[in-house]
Amino acid sequence: QVQLQESGPGLVKPLETLSLNCSVSGGSISRYFWIWIRQAPGKGLEWIGYVSYVRNINYNPSLKSRVTISVDTSRNHISLKLTSVTAADTAVYFCARSGTYSSDAFDIWGQGTMVTVSS
Amino acid sequence: QSVLTQPPSASGTPGQRVTLSCSGSSSNIGVNTVNWYQQLPETAPKLLIFSNSRRPSGVPDRFSGSKSGTSASLVISGLQSEDEADYFCATWDDGLKGPVFGGGTKLTVL
Repeated sequence: QVQLQESGPGLVKPLETLSLNCSVSGGSISRYFWIWIRQAPGKGLEWIGYVSYVRNINYNPSLKSRVTISVDTSRNHISLKLTSVTAADTAVYFCARSGTYSSDAFDIWGQGTMVTVSS
Repeated sequence: QSVLTQPPSASGTPGQRVTLSCSGSSSNIGVNTVNWYQQLPETAPKLLIFSNSRRPSGVPDRFSGSKSGTSASLVISGLQSEDEADYFCATWDDGLKGPVFGGGTKLTVL
């Protein structure tokens, strides 16, 4: 049973860098399609970026200048870095995986980690 | 502002049939399949429907989906109290080269 677990600081100061990890257990990250999605309080879902099984990485154009996603196959985790954060980046951050049913249907999710941007 | 449009709320009584709508455009729903997610309070979204109308393993057949043109619908038959949740539609957007989501519909079971 594949499980995802996000981790990282729950509080980040404005203009600093938000760094999160998504640890994958029970399966390899060498396949499938991995994505970071966030949800601001009381709001909908917003994709941040994804890495495909062929290692194509793409970012949401609205965040592209501030986002870096990387994959560490030796540690089986996917990392997210978001620079120059503001209060608008306060959200629950999820990592998720697709590929079981279709490439864009995310069937496995982490529990999410709340990140608050505040001084 | 979400790319896909969903009504913010819907309601129904137990046993009732409820339809949730999702509207997009020619660059997303018009050319790609639609997925639906259910999100219970304080939990991660759960895949409910994929490829417009298919159910993942374990999802009851009370949930069904369809797509027509640039719109999609999720139907919940025999509404149950545990169906009270937020429902999000999603699809791929060829212009953004990424997934797009609706703002979600909060379903209340009266």
